[in-house]
Amino acid sequence: QKEVEQNSGPLSVPEGAIASLNCTYSDRGSQSFFWYRQYSGKSPELIMFIYSNGDKEDGRFTAQLNKASQYVSLLIRDSQPSDSATYLCAANRAGTALIFGKGTTLSVSS
Amino acid sequence: DGGITQSPKYLFRKEGQNVTLSCEQNLNHDAMYWYRQDPGQGLRLIYYSQIVNDFQKGDIAEGYSVSREKKESFPLTVTSAQKNPTAFYLCASTRTEINYGYTFGSGTRLTVV
Repeated sequence: QKEVEQNSGPLSVPEGAIASLNCTYSDRGSQSFFWYRQYSGKSPELIMFIYSNGDKEDGRFTAQLNKASQYVSLLIRDSQPSDSATYLCAANRAGTALIFGKGTTLSVSS
Repeated sequence: DGGITQSPKYLFRKEGQNVTLSCEQNLNHDAMYWYRQDPGQGLRLIYYSQIVNDFQKGDIAEGYSVSREKKESFPLTVTSAQKNPTAFYLCASTRTEINYGYTFGSGTRLTVV
């Protein structure tokens, strides 16, 4: 069974701090990785995707991928209360569907 | 504007009843997906389709059925065989040649009454 594992949290950080969200995956054939943000009662929205080992930055967000360790992370710099949500990690092998983790709940306190 | 539309937003099902959830997209995406989300859980794959008139079962297909007669449409039927259908159902779509991530609809919340 291919799996994506995340710490369910909650992860609590003060406003302005760096939030670090982690994810591991079991399928070594996974080629692309995604981070989604989901507010309560809403559908997921894509934050970032990453295909290659290393870091990928987009504004306050940085995704990190280490295929050898089967590890993906998302860093949120200068965390804001509006970042409080559940963050879903997903992995994909070409030609199949995304497999999602159960999500990590982030709470940013002002 | 291009997007993916799910309807209805809320749906109530009586015991033994089949219900159909609608999903329509105008993004010209080839692939479409149905996921189920239970409280505090991630998304679990029900069915997906990468081309018209073809679809594959996901991890929890039992008690569900789909069709893909048009590129734009991928309806999901929750049959009476699905014993615990209360959940949040999400439809998504994407291009198949390069996956830049799924676009999700706004979801249908199904409740058994």
